[in-house]
Amino acid sequence: KNQVEQSPQSLIILEGKNCTLQCNYTVSPFSNLRWYKQDTGRGPVSLTIMTFSENTKSNGRYTATLDADTKQSSLHITASQLSDSASYICVVSEGRTGGFKTIFGAGTRLFVKA
Amino acid sequence: KAGVTQTPRYLIKTRGQQVTLSCSPISGHRSVSWYQQTPGQGLQFLFEYFSETQRNKGNFPGRFSGRQFSNSRSEMNVSTLELGDSALYLCASSFGTSGGALNEQFFGPGTRLTVL
Repeated sequence: KNQVEQSPQSLIILEGKNCTLQCNYTVSPFSNLRWYKQDTGRGPVSLTIMTFSENTKSNGRYTATLDADTKQSSLHITASQLSDSASYICVVSEGRTGGFKTIFGAGTRLFVKA
Repeated sequence: KAGVTQTPRYLIKTRGQQVTLSCSPISGHRSVSWYQQTPGQGLQFLFEYFSETQRNKGNFPGRFSGRQFSNSRSEMNVSTLELGDSALYLCASSFGTSGGALNEQFFGPGTRLTVL
């Protein structure tokens, strides 16, 4: 069964610190992996999209890595800010003939404290 | 350019009623996907429409239905509402079929549905 698991479920860090969120998946065949940031009460916003051949992609202070062999991805946040407090969702798309199927992780809730 | 818009933003209904939610995609986008988000289940895929045709469907009962118009605007309908239907309903648009690596999805702000 195709699954996407994220860890930790929640995380509290101090402003200015770095953190890393994990995403493990069993989706096959793999098409692409996305990280989204979702502020409370708002729709998710795309941070990065990576395909099989990409193993690192950055978007400002956000850096995503992908290891397609071990089926693991991480999202590293550098020098965290209060505005980074949000849920971070890992989404993996399964590539198959006729279209794609996307599987969502449950998300990691990040709290950045002053 | 304008983002994805959803109306209404908030809605309160009672059990047994039906509801229609609307989504206007980004201009030029042909794909609209609908998602249900609850604290316990996270984001769950409802269905996707592309050029007025339903392309994919999630594991939801037939009470959940949708359609897409020729201008790509989409509506989602839930009939015979149940308490468990209380959720944030999100729609997302993309140029091509969602899930494709080149087709970034843009989400709307969502409609918060409360069923009493």
